[in-house]
Amino acid sequence: SQQGEEDPQALSIQEGENATMNCSYKTSINNLQWYRQNSGRGLVHLILIRSNEREKHSGRLRVTLDTSKKSSSLLITASRAADTASYFCATETSGTYKYIFGTGTRLKVLA
Amino acid sequence: EAGVVQSPRYKIIEKKQPVAFWCNPISGHNTLYWYRQNLGQGPELLIRYENEEAVDDSQLPKDRFSAERLKGVDSTLKIQPAELGDSAVYLCASSSGLATDGTDTQYFGPGTRLTVL
Repeated sequence: SQQGEEDPQALSIQEGENATMNCSYKTSINNLQWYRQNSGRGLVHLILIRSNEREKHSGRLRVTLDTSKKSSSLLITASRAADTASYFCATETSGTYKYIFGTGTRLKVLA
Repeated sequence: EAGVVQSPRYKIIEKKQPVAFWCNPISGHNTLYWYRQNLGQGPELLIRYENEEAVDDSQLPKDRFSAERLKGVDSTLKIQPAELGDSAVYLCASSSGLATDGTDTQYFGPGTRLTVL
């Protein structure tokens, strides 16, 4: 079963623009992670945010977490063609060590 | 450092045939995961190992799927017999297992794309 639902399902933007994708989940979590998947490199971990954190940055990535709304967002600034991929959120419920992935957002960055 | 290695990368079989996937995790990683990813969906956990022990196999369809991780290093996932609905990408991932708060980073292999005809 999928815990997370990403929104939008697909997103197409021009190079240099910002891309925002959202993840909503159903049950309380310990942490939430974002992954990128493209055909060349498979699934790659991008960033982790703990349930007691509200915002984290890593390079051009900014992640926010709102536990009251059970939602997270991933912002990619100044997008590049190489950012074209599917992006998944994965949630871990405290003590389970089980990561449940969402359905993904397919991002296309046009050069 | 070598990443997670999986083989084969692609497999096409007829239904009712057996199939096996192999995974070699990153050296030193105690935790190993097998996921199944259907087209257009996120990965779904099948089984998680801590060293050689399967600590979570609640999502593994045990009537036809089996897995082993002898000596706590590489692992094999088997399907016997395969059904049409088993067509998917099978992903292996590993993590150090050192984090005690569920924050381990998982490193994924390239996956095996299975097509059942």
